[in-house]
Amino acid sequence: DIVLTQTPPSSPVTLGQPASISCRSSQSLVHNDGNTYLNWLQQRPGQPPRLLIYKVSKRFSGVPDRFSGSGAGTAFTLKISRVEAEDVGVYYCMQATQFPQTFGGGTKLEIK
Amino acid sequence: EVQLVQSGAEIKKPGESLKISCKASGYNFTEYWIGWVRQMPGKGLEWMGIIYPGDSESKYSPSFQGQVTISADKSISTAYLQWSSLKASDSAMYYCARFTGGSWGQGTLVTVSS
Repeated sequence: DIVLTQTPPSSPVTLGQPASISCRSSQSLVHNDGNTYLNWLQQRPGQPPRLLIYKVSKRFSGVPDRFSGSGAGTAFTLKISRVEAEDVGVYYCMQATQFPQTFGGGTKLEIK
Repeated sequence: EVQLVQSGAEIKKPGESLKISCKASGYNFTEYWIGWVRQMPGKGLEWMGIIYPGDSESKYSPSFQGQVTISADKSISTAYLQWSSLKASDSAMYYCARFTGGSWGQGTLVTVSS
């Protein structure tokens, strides 16, 4: 199975400041079709997860442009340019390149 | 609009069986994989398995293979997750999701307690 390792496990951030979360994969996430199926999800307290970014860097419908994804191969990053109060929650990377699909362990974003 | 609506919370005893559901609407159910995710209290997301309703092909995480069964009824656009003999450790929130397109159900809370 592909193991996704997220860092940091928690991230206290000041409102208006940037935040960055790393996701490293135990093997390349490049699919045979040439795409890289690495997604980022946000889970606010008491809510189901919500898709933010798919295929490394494509922002899902309705996601604010302060969220961006980057990376390639085995190393990926989610960045929030200016953290807002509504961004509090847990962020997960997820790979859909290979079965079984897997999630990272999560990064808890908190406001300082 | 794509929607996944899950069945309600369940309270069961150890050893009992259970089948929870996820009804899809707003798209062609047979054309997208639909999966199940476990979230134990205060913990992260765990990918359990997935099914392609078009031909009922399913894939499981090794952690859940043999512990649960995923099925789908395309006549009513509904996916299922079932247990034949529940354990206390199955207590968790379970989500269905159409990962392509980012649609998630609201979750079904399963509590297993004697």
